[in-house]
Amino acid sequence: QSALTQPPSASGSPGQSVTISCTGTSSDVGGYKYVSWYQQHPGKAPKLMIYEVMKRPSGVPDRFSGSKSGNTASLTVSGLQAEDEAEYYCSSYAGSNNPYVFGTGTKVTVL
Amino acid sequence: QVQLVQSGAEVKKPGASVMVSCRPSGYSFAGYYMHWVRQAPGQGLEWMGWINPKGGTKSAQNFQGRVTMTRDTSTSTVYMELSRLTSDDSALYYCAGERLLKTFDIWGQGTMVTVSS
Repeated sequence: QSALTQPPSASGSPGQSVTISCTGTSSDVGGYKYVSWYQQHPGKAPKLMIYEVMKRPSGVPDRFSGSKSGNTASLTVSGLQAEDEAEYYCSSYAGSNNPYVFGTGTKVTVL
Repeated sequence: QVQLVQSGAEVKKPGASVMVSCRPSGYSFAGYYMHWVRQAPGQGLEWMGWINPKGGTKSAQNFQGRVTMTRDTSTSTVYMELSRLTSDDSALYYCAGERLLKTFDIWGQGTMVTVSS
């Protein structure tokens, strides 16, 4: 099972928006609604930001939004803030044989 | 406060096995799947496997035959044992709870496993 493809880095100034892509195949991202996004600050455990493509858990700011088109999912962070600087990983359910796959990760920098 | 509390760091020699535990605090995970995810230094996340409420397990193809996951219902603790360790297994190992379907919605603090001769 190959990792989902994410750009290595993305950046934006405070207040701007940044969008991160997550490209898989019809066997994972394109085949299921179970795409989630995780934020990881250095030295910390990952934190769930988006689940089921576009749903936000309680406590996650509405500046974070998710979408999907075909085999590519996207995470958009609007109104960038300094605390949004982190590594972001996508994940997708991929069926019963090898159920879960993560993305390669994207480092978001707030300029 | 809901959290998953993992056991402490381990140092193991090549060829040995390591067992990592994960205990929920502030929430009952008795009816939920629990997952194991690892992260090598400076690398991304890698899904290792899950254990369901009845003790059934599923491991990623990369770990089949080397990983054993168990749960102790009396203490609500889940365990992950990885055998035949090599230096490539040096990583942070996380447990993650699946209260939201097919989502890792709560994570442990991570357990560092170092494999060195």
